[in-house]
Order: sequence, then C-alpha cells, then structure tokens
Amino acid sequence: NAGVMQNPRHLVRRRGQEARLRCSPMKGHSHVYWYRQLPEEGLKFMVYLQKENIIDESGMPKERFSAEFPKEGPSILRIQQVVRGDSAAYFCASSPRTGYEQYFGPGTRLTVT
Amino acid sequence: EDQVTQSPEALRLQEGESSSLNCSYTVSGLRGLFWYRQDPGKGPEFLFTLYSAGEEKEKERLKATLTKKESFLHITAPKPEDSATYLCAVQASNTDKLIFGTGTRLQVFP
Repeated sequence: NAGVMQNPRHLVRRRGQEARLRCSPMKGHSHVYWYRQLPEEGLKFMVYLQKENIIDESGMPKERFSAEFPKEGPSILRIQQVVRGDSAAYFCASSPRTGYEQYFGPGTRLTVT
Repeated sequence: EDQVTQSPEALRLQEGESSSLNCSYTVSGLRGLFWYRQDPGKGPEFLFTLYSAGEEKEKERLKATLTKKESFLHITAPKPEDSATYLCAVQASNTDKLIFGTGTRLQVFP
C-alpha cells in the first residue's frame, strides 16, 4: 500500500520562475492538505482540498500561491514568480475522511536562488 | 488563538533513561491531538491520536496521554533509534487543519 507520494523531491528555481509541486494521496484518500516548513520553524498549514474543491485556504499567501486537486491526477501546489523567502520544505498530507489523522509525504524541498 | 507549545526544545538521553515530552495547547474545542515523529529530511510519521482527556495510547516504548490542557509523550527505556524530532499538533472542532508545535528534538546516546 503506497504512501503519499510527492514529486519532485528537490526543486531549484531562480527568482521569478514558477514552481509546481505535485502530490498523490494514499489510495482511498480524498482529502489533501499542504503544509510548509520554513528553516527552524514548525509546520504551517496552507490549504485543504477535496476533489475539485478548495475547502480551506486560510493559510495560503494571498498572492502568487494557488492549489488544485482535479478529478483526475495529483494535487498541484503552484507558486508563481518565486522569491527567496519561498525556500522551504513543502509537505502534502492525505486522510480518508474529515477529522481523521493525516499521513504525510516525504516533502518537496524548494530552493530559490 | 489556537496554539501549541512543546517543551523542552531539545532533550539528550542516555540509552535506557526514561523521560517525558510535553505539549501544552489552547484550542477552541479540541477535535483531536496528534503526535508525529520526524526524521531529518523526511516527512512526519504518524504515531498517535488522542481525542479526550484521560485517554492514553501506547506503541512499543512510547505512551501518549492527554489532559484538558496538555499532552505528554512518555519514552520508556529509549534506544538510539528513537532519536528524532517529535511533533505535537491539535485540530480544532470547526476545522480540519493541524496546528503544530515546533517540536522536541530528542537524541538518545548509547
């Protein structure tokens, strides 16, 4: 039973470029969450999605960041015009239903040069 | 504001030396409290969920307990492979997002 998969594991972008992070939830899980972990800081919630719907985006920066979870395919976290402050580890988690524990993927480490 | 505070920030133990990690929380209606383990360069690994005061869960050398204001993760006779950062998170009753503490970095020496 495969766990949560994220790719790429490492991503290097220059300032001003776009970053696309992908997340495939565990089999049977329809709830996806994105978190960001800045160096020396804790995990911070960004967005919660179900298939084709954004349920809670209270942790998303207002500009440059967007997320989707289409009917088919992985969830995508998109960061436009990246800046150095976007450098962080981005984790995706999934759960089978609301209120249940969330299972995390290995993360994507984004470095902006 | 919902908040989680973990202490200590770092803990060094000799192999076999039992100890406890603390997680204090304030939340507007607790839906669940979660413990995770995170190894360097990896994603958090789920350990326990606690839902109500008085609840306890155990797994190998780990035991998690919950009161109305805090949770403890007790480590009995730890081994070097228990070295990791232990994260505590809460979920409020009106939301699905997890609010994490900054973790306790545990090092166990042989």
